[in-house]
Amino acid sequence: AQSVSQHNHHVILSEAASLELGCNYSYGGTVNLFWYVQYPGQHLQLLLKYFSGDPLVKGIKGFEAEFIKSKFSFNLRKPSVQWSDTAEYFCAVKGSSASKIIFGSGTRLSIRP
Amino acid sequence: EPEVTQTPSHQVTQMGQEVILRCVPISNHLYFYWYRQILGQKVEFLVSFYNNEISEKSEIFDDQFSVERPDGSNFTLKIRSTKLEDSAMYFCASTGTGYTEAFFGQGTRLTVV
Repeated sequence: AQSVSQHNHHVILSEAASLELGCNYSYGGTVNLFWYVQYPGQHLQLLLKYFSGDPLVKGIKGFEAEFIKSKFSFNLRKPSVQWSDTAEYFCAVKGSSASKIIFGSGTRLSIRP
Repeated sequence: EPEVTQTPSHQVTQMGQEVILRCVPISNHLYFYWYRQILGQKVEFLVSFYNNEISEKSEIFDDQFSVERPDGSNFTLKIRSTKLEDSAMYFCASTGTGYTEAFFGQGTRLTVV
């Protein structure tokens, strides 16, 4: 069965610090991988996605993620966070073409100004 | 930019009452989903819908839940007899094909009292 694990429940950083949020998935076939962000009181928005090709994908707002197939990981990174990055971040995986997206439990990111 | 729209944004209902949550997916999309997020918890898959029928559902999606695409544009989630534990944010999502990311609506906050 598909599953997604996000190791950090709550991360607190100062502005300009570097960020890495861990994500590991379990799935037996070809996967599509996503990071979604949910700003306070808002809906889920796509940060970035990986379907195939270059395992280092760049998304919006300076975020990037690296797909490491051997480690079943898709960690999210940003070299320098801003206060406006305060949000909940969800890693997600999708298998076959018509299958559902499965979300991790989310990581709450708090940025100290 | 096309978007998924959901109405109402907030619904309060008494326990035991029926509610219908409405969604208008992006017009040329083919796959439709409902997810829910209980406050402070992960985003949980409820059901996926393709070609006018349910393609997959979770264990949460019991006989109290049903979905419908009544007129080719709306996609509805009905809860027949609401329980307190149905209180959550309900998100509708759609994808164009199986190989693209899901676009989420703003959500309907359902409060059962």
